[in-house]
Amino acid sequence: DQQVKQNSPSLSVQEGRISILNCDYTNSMFDYFLWYKKYPAEGPTFLISISSIKDKNEDGRFTVFLNKSAKHLSLHIVPSQPGDSAVYFCAASVRGSNYKLTFGKGTLLTVNP
Amino acid sequence: GAVVSQHPSRVICKSGTSVKIECRSLDFQATTMFWYRQFPKQSLMLMATSNEGSKATYEQGVEKDKFLINHASLTLSTLTVTSAHPEDSSFYICSAKRALSGDSPLHFGNGTRLTVT
Repeated sequence: DQQVKQNSPSLSVQEGRISILNCDYTNSMFDYFLWYKKYPAEGPTFLISISSIKDKNEDGRFTVFLNKSAKHLSLHIVPSQPGDSAVYFCAASVRGSNYKLTFGKGTLLTVNP
Repeated sequence: GAVVSQHPSRVICKSGTSVKIECRSLDFQATTMFWYRQFPKQSLMLMATSNEGSKATYEQGVEKDKFLINHASLTLSTLTVTSAHPEDSSFYICSAKRALSGDSPLHFGNGTRLTVT
């Protein structure tokens, strides 16, 4: 049972445009969400997180939006750059669960020059 | 920034042998480390939670006698795949939680590609 779902395995955008990566979750106990970026043969690198008490968190070119009623979050990257090309994982956890993360399957983002 | 070192990055072993993978937090103390496994085009699946000085907590379906975890110090956790079989071939990644860091995110190692022939 996939509790965190990233339904788009891949996404291709032009440099300078906005990239929108989507994530849905089913477990209503999740209250902390993170996005990680991963290059081949490397471990994930933390990008940005959001707590369930917020609906938006922004860090430079990266913004994460959370819609709790829809159990949906999204990562917006603007403007997109070729260096952003990587696999992006959405992850969720329950505070107090010793920070165990549940990951989605990832979305491969390709930013074309 | 926090760095987690994982070694080896790649290992090939014969069926029936054991392989040890090390995960070190280089510039912080980690009371908790996590071991994940990733199959191609799949998500990272949590295998076990490793707590310094105590037994690891394994996720459902993960054989604790096959995947031995030792967290002997605040900077080192090891995963030993015992009597490896080809179906154990996978990408194993560790992550570490900085002690007393509240909600700060996990830091991941670069993973170990295990191939069992």
